[in-house]
Amino acid sequence: AQSVTQLGSHVSVSEGALVLLRCNYSSSVPPYLFWYVQYPNQGLQLLLKYTSAATLVKGINGFEAEFKKSETSFHLTKPSAHMSDAAEYFCAVTPLQGAQKLVFGQGTRLTINP
Amino acid sequence: NAGVTQTPKFQVLKTGQSMTLQCAQDMNHEYMSWYRQDPGMGLRLIHYSVGAGITDQGEVPNGYNVSRSTTEDFPLRLLSAAPSQTSVYFCASSYWDRNKKGWNTEAFFGQGTRLTVV
Repeated sequence: AQSVTQLGSHVSVSEGALVLLRCNYSSSVPPYLFWYVQYPNQGLQLLLKYTSAATLVKGINGFEAEFKKSETSFHLTKPSAHMSDAAEYFCAVTPLQGAQKLVFGQGTRLTINP
Repeated sequence: NAGVTQTPKFQVLKTGQSMTLQCAQDMNHEYMSWYRQDPGMGLRLIHYSVGAGITDQGEVPNGYNVSRSTTEDFPLRLLSAAPSQTSVYFCASSYWDRNKKGWNTEAFFGQGTRLTVV
């Protein structure tokens, strides 16, 4: 069975600092990988996705993630944090081509300190 | 387009009561699904549907029923609510990409329903 592990349920960074949110997956076949963001009291919004094209994926709001098959990782980064980035971030995987039976990680709550 | 609309936004139930969480989408999406979100556990798939008249179970289906009589609507029924069903429920939809001959890779989520069972 597929699983996703997000290291760190809470991450706190200063405004302007690097954001790094870690995600590792287990999958017997090359998966599709996603990062979703959830702002307070809202639904989930797609940040970016990896679908077997370029391994470095750029998303919205300056975020990007790199698919590393050898490390089974899909870490999310942003060079300079902004106060508006404060939210909960979810890594997710689906085994088949866009089959949508998403398996989510536990989530990482990102706090930005002024 | 309104996208995916969930009602109600908040609900408090007593143990044993029944209710239906509504989900509607106006994007003509074939695929619809229900997730529950619990602290420290991310989102878990309850039920899903690949089209009208077709439903299937996800990871945590016990205690929930669904039906899909139209493309637009995918209600989630709790027949006898239990405190363990206290959660935030999200409905999501997606579509079959005829050009790529596969499901679109993005899921579109509603705003969620916060349910408390006392």
